[in-house]
Amino acid sequence: EPEVTQTPSHQVTQMGQEVILRCVPISNHLYFYWYRQILGQKVEFLVSFYNNEISEKSEIFDDQFSVERPDGSNFTLKIRSTKLEDSAMYFCASSEAGLAGTGELFFGEGSRLTVL
Amino acid sequence: GEDVEQSLFLSVREGDSSVINCTYTDSSSTYLYWYKQEPGAGLQLLTYIFSNMDMKQDQRLTVLLNKKDKHLSLRIADTQTGDSAIYFCAETLNNAGNMLTFGGGTRLMVKP
Repeated sequence: EPEVTQTPSHQVTQMGQEVILRCVPISNHLYFYWYRQILGQKVEFLVSFYNNEISEKSEIFDDQFSVERPDGSNFTLKIRSTKLEDSAMYFCASSEAGLAGTGELFFGEGSRLTVL
Repeated sequence: GEDVEQSLFLSVREGDSSVINCTYTDSSSTYLYWYKQEPGAGLQLLTYIFSNMDMKQDQRLTVLLNKKDKHLSLRIADTQTGDSAIYFCAETLNNAGNMLTFGGGTRLMVKP
């Protein structure tokens, strides 16, 4: 069964360092997303991406965050200068159509980021 | 703004039915979802319901939607120990495009 894959599964970094989290969405999907879950808190939307541009972003997704689809398969989340409060599990997701279409959103297993 | 709430914890015995409840505040929901998260794993889509439906059944899972009360439930029949996990409800709204709003999750513990 097709699945969303994420790397790395866990990354530890020093505050102020740049981090890139990678995702390979399901191959025929057109919509891509990043969510995060701070330990003990709700899963929160960060950004959605369609047709090579950001379609929506939340207040959390400030200037230190960026997303990119550098080739036909990868979808990356870059955090430019990490802060302690960026420590969280970051989930990538993809869908074949927008949520108003099929309604199905598939998540990867997550990348745990620990900022020291 | 929109808010999705769930109780934190549910404990049931193996073989019993589990009912996990969720309430939401925004009446413009289009789809409502149930996701399962096992320890150390990602979010697995279990089922979803379109907002013009009252009920959806899929094998052991039954989703009930009460739009008037803004209440969503997930019933798991014949609960097994492998069903132990955190269950998240989530919604997407008419005016929020592709954004999912999640509840805080309900931890289901199934005792043998």
